[in-house]
Amino acid sequence: AQKVTQAQTEISVVEKEDVTLDCVYETRDTTYYLFWYKQPPSGELVFLIRRNSFDEQNEISGRYSWNFQKSTSSFNFTITASQVVDSAVYFCALSEPNNNAGNMLTFGGGTRLMVKP
Amino acid sequence: GAGVSQSPRYKVAKRGQDVALRCDPISGHVSLFWYQQALGQGPEFLTYFQNEAQLDKSGLPSDRFFAERPEGSVSTLKIQRTQQEDSAVYLCASSLTGPFSYEQYFGPGTRLTVT
Repeated sequence: AQKVTQAQTEISVVEKEDVTLDCVYETRDTTYYLFWYKQPPSGELVFLIRRNSFDEQNEISGRYSWNFQKSTSSFNFTITASQVVDSAVYFCALSEPNNNAGNMLTFGGGTRLMVKP
Repeated sequence: GAGVSQSPRYKVAKRGQDVALRCDPISGHVSLFWYQQALGQGPEFLTYFQNEAQLDKSGLPSDRFFAERPEGSVSTLKIQRTQQEDSAVYLCASSLTGPFSYEQYFGPGTRLTVT
């Protein structure tokens, strides 16, 4: 069965600091997808990135970067030069397309990031 | 374009009451998912529709929970005889379907409080 673990329940940083959110996953499938979502105080989950299991190339999007390492089953998320607007709960999620439930997502418990001015 | 919408945004129910939560997915999205998010936790899968067919309901916590999507667009999640443990945010998501795992687009959720 699939599982996603986000060991950091809460992180507090001061604006402009870099911060890395950890994500470790478990799956028996060779084909799977990993996601990061942001949940601001308004509550709506906002899609950030999707990565498939065959693409281990790291990705950078502005201040955001993602480090996917199959050898350690990790998909970590780094925010460079954090800003107050980055304050939110961040969820890592896993999808196994070969199961019956379509592309259902298995979420980690989330990491609450607080960026102080 | 319009995103996923859910109504009501907030619902307070007395224990034992029935409630119905509505989800309007993004037009053209074949897949529709319901998730339950308890306070301080990640969302948990409840059920999945492909068009009007409910292909998986393994996440529904009890037979008091029922979901439908009769015309393959709007979906309703119904909870009968609500209990306090049903208090949570109920999230609806929709996505395209196909050989790849497309991202899911989430609605704002319905916060259910059972008193």
